[in-house]
Amino acid sequence: DAKTTQPNSMESNEEEPVHLPCNHSTISGTDYIHWYRQLPSQGPEYVIHGLTSNVNNRMASLAIAEDRKSSTLILHRATLRDAAVYYCILRANYGGSQGNLIFGKGTKLSVKP
Amino acid sequence: EPEVTQTPSHQVTQMGQEVILRCVPISNHLYFYWYRQILGQKVEFLVSFYNNEISEKSEIFDDQFSVERPDGSNFTLKIRSTKLEDSAMYFCASRRQGRNTGELFFGEGSRLTVL
Repeated sequence: DAKTTQPNSMESNEEEPVHLPCNHSTISGTDYIHWYRQLPSQGPEYVIHGLTSNVNNRMASLAIAEDRKSSTLILHRATLRDAAVYYCILRANYGGSQGNLIFGKGTKLSVKP
Repeated sequence: EPEVTQTPSHQVTQMGQEVILRCVPISNHLYFYWYRQILGQKVEFLVSFYNNEISEKSEIFDDQFSVERPDGSNFTLKIRSTKLEDSAMYFCASRRQGRNTGELFFGEGSRLTVL
């Protein structure tokens, strides 16, 4: 699986936007970029995913670089509940894959009131 | 909103005992997974299951582990002869049929403590 690189930790202030970066320079053409997060003492939770175009949903936005070697998860207004570990994961989309997610260490986001 | 449920939430067992962790995936999902997370470490893939058979497993998933879908609703992880290092949170996840881009839905986890 192609590797992703994320900062170990980031801090944000409540109600401000947060930009969480992810580098994936070895991404292949069949890899989708997925973001999950894990709130304290909970299981991972899907946030968003994309292939080439920027994506928006009710939780966040995903900005993907034109060369696809990096992406940024954007939380438009951080809340205290957004404090979590955020994982950027590449997932292949081809017939032989069972869609397994391989988690890295992620970015621990702290949100200050 | 449908969710993946896991039982027990916490189990304490003696080293060498067998443990069964249970999961009820979301009803129309067909792909099932077990992950584990040792305290303070990253989430690790154990096994994926589809069409009543293991489709992929990691190096962690050795002969000590087995999975089963006994009745069409439950998905279980059995750990035989538990060891101290099996202490971890175990997460079950499921995914609906379709393209591999579909999201995984995770349960809240079962905490296993081996003494």
